[in-house]
Amino acid sequence: GAGVSQTPSNKVTEKGKYVELRCDPISGHTALYWYRQSLGQGPEFLIYFQGTGAADDSGLPNDRFFAVRPEGSVSTLKIQRTERGDSAVYLCASSFASGGPGDTQYFGPGTRLTVL
Amino acid sequence: RKEVEQDPGPFNVPEGATVAFNCTYSNSASQSFFWYRQDCRKEPKLLMSVYSSGNEDGRFTAQLNRASQYISLLIRDSKLSDSATYLCVVRPNTGNQFYFGTGTSLTVIP
Repeated sequence: GAGVSQTPSNKVTEKGKYVELRCDPISGHTALYWYRQSLGQGPEFLIYFQGTGAADDSGLPNDRFFAVRPEGSVSTLKIQRTERGDSAVYLCASSFASGGPGDTQYFGPGTRLTVL
Repeated sequence: RKEVEQDPGPFNVPEGATVAFNCTYSNSASQSFFWYRQDCRKEPKLLMSVYSSGNEDGRFTAQLNRASQYISLLIRDSKLSDSATYLCVVRPNTGNQFYFGTGTSLTVIP
């Protein structure tokens, strides 16, 4: 079946611009996660959705970052007034959110964001 | 202190060698543990979950030591295709955050 998809695969923007990154999770997965991965680092948690609501947004670095999941499926990560330090790969993952130890995440291919 | 710590390596081993990675975690109440594999410029993919009793999948063996708060991954008979970064992942028993280590780089040399 189809995995997690993310668009665009690459995004180059200028400092100060607004960007939107999209994630389409695996069908039936109620949990959706956004991560940011910089070179040489592991994925860093940004935000977690259970259904339509942001159950945990404690990883968002500041108020320039915002994410929505209005219908409990597709999610959009929005970054305002982008800065060069926002350059990274933004990964989306989804899971069944069963809560048990077998509740594993499946990642999309990521969006590589470059802020010039 | 980081939630999850790994030796970044790199580990360069010959084909056929056995290699082991360790990972330590800081939250003693952590519930779930995983090893993910990440190839260059690709997304992380689940390699295996780590169960309390330890588990094996072919050439790969994962173990959990709750008392010392570390997990390990052992790869036997290394193949060239095992070259990748191996990420240790821990999930606490509260909340739904998954904490990733920085990854350990493995290169298997012909």
